[in-house]
Amino acid sequence: GENVEQHPSTLSVQEGDSAVIKCTYSDSASNYFPWYKQELGKGPQLIIDIRSNVGEKKDQRIAVTLNKTAKHFSLHITETQPEDSAVYFCAPQAGTALIFGKGTTLSVSS
Amino acid sequence: DGGITQSPKYLFRKEGQNVTLSCEQNLNHDAMYWYRQDPGQGLRLIYYSQIVNDFQKGDIAEGYSVSREKKESFPLTVTSAQKNPTAFYLCASSIDGGGGYEQYFGPGTRLTVT
Repeated sequence: GENVEQHPSTLSVQEGDSAVIKCTYSDSASNYFPWYKQELGKGPQLIIDIRSNVGEKKDQRIAVTLNKTAKHFSLHITETQPEDSAVYFCAPQAGTALIFGKGTTLSVSS
Repeated sequence: DGGITQSPKYLFRKEGQNVTLSCEQNLNHDAMYWYRQDPGQGLRLIYYSQIVNDFQKGDIAEGYSVSREKKESFPLTVTSAQKNPTAFYLCASSIDGGGGYEQYFGPGTRLTVT
């Protein structure tokens, strides 16, 4: 089955800095690569996704890059703000199921 | 207002009792999912349903059961056979179960069994 690893597990940045979270996966059949954000006590929410035929996708301060050869994709957040503080999960998909990483806790201090 | 509702938000049960968690969606989505989340862990798939009257086991289905009699409802029963039932349970739906579609999550139910 798919093995998913996320790094780092915790990340602390100053407001305005950039943050990068990396996700590696094992199943070469994975073809959909989303990132979810979970705030305390709530359900996760999709923030950006990318498909296997695209190398990079950007939405305002958030971007995702995909390297299918190396089997990893990364979340990039620029100009971080305190409201970006949350847990972020990658969840590559092969077949019908999303396989979630263990999460990265991002703390943005002002 | 479209979305997914889960009730109750907090649930307390004694060991040995079955308990059913509710999940309802008004998004007209075909697929629905149940996940379990433990502290410091990612989400693990319990069961999923791609269409009414059909469902499949996920990675950790033992001790759980589901039904999908209506498109908008996908209740999860945590049975007494589940050895460590205390966890945060999340329900999700997507427009299609074939893969590659956003999953929309409910607010979750925190179950505590003592």
